[in-house]
Amino acid sequence: EVQLVESGGGLVQPGRSLKLSCAASGFTFSDYYMAWVRQAPTKGLEWVASISYDGGSTYYRDSVKGRFTISRDNAKSSLYLQMDSLRSEDTATYYCTTEGYDGTYYYNWFAYWGQGTLVTVSS
Amino acid sequence: DIQMTQSPASLSASLGETVTIECRASEDIYNGLAWYQQKPGKSPQLLIYNANSLHTGVPSRFSGSGSGTQYSLKINSLQSEDVASYFCQQYYDYPFTFGSGTKLEIK
Repeated sequence: EVQLVESGGGLVQPGRSLKLSCAASGFTFSDYYMAWVRQAPTKGLEWVASISYDGGSTYYRDSVKGRFTISRDNAKSSLYLQMDSLRSEDTATYYCTTEGYDGTYYYNWFAYWGQGTLVTVSS
Repeated sequence: DIQMTQSPASLSASLGETVTIECRASEDIYNGLAWYQQKPGKSPQLLIYNANSLHTGVPSRFSGSGSGTQYSLKINSLQSEDVASYFCQQYYDYPFTFGSGTKLEIK
């Protein structure tokens, strides 16, 4: 069974940093692209960043480019999101997700999701 | 960025009914379209990918269709456990974008 468990959320002041972690199990982590998707309170879903299976390629939405860094440790089956220079508009629940993979091709839908970790940016 | 316009924003239907949710992309997304279900207080779950392929374990009363810029999600024989919000997502191009969601309630 695929399990994704996020941690590291909390209350942080604007301009400060926070690092999210996601522990993966139940699948071959090193085979999959991974992503972070966020959801502001009572709002819709927003893709944040993605990383290739080997960590060699990363992709970001414009509003977090230069402030957030996605990374992974395949030996630990873990995904990370380093968030610097946080803003109030970054307040959201952050979900760790797997992207689609059929054994041959990669697809950018989000196949499995963690339970999410809440990040609140406020003074 | 590709804009995803989803309708309706909310929907109320009776048990056993069939409901349809629509999603329109601002440009052709070549079937790069997924649908998600999010139950209250839970994380989203993938229902449909490639516009019309059912994800593992999803009941067959869910189906997706469409092409080009117009896509839809149909739920046959509505059941109480289908109460949720539903989101479409395009993955044809970065940044991946979601529709604003449809909240489905039982009448």
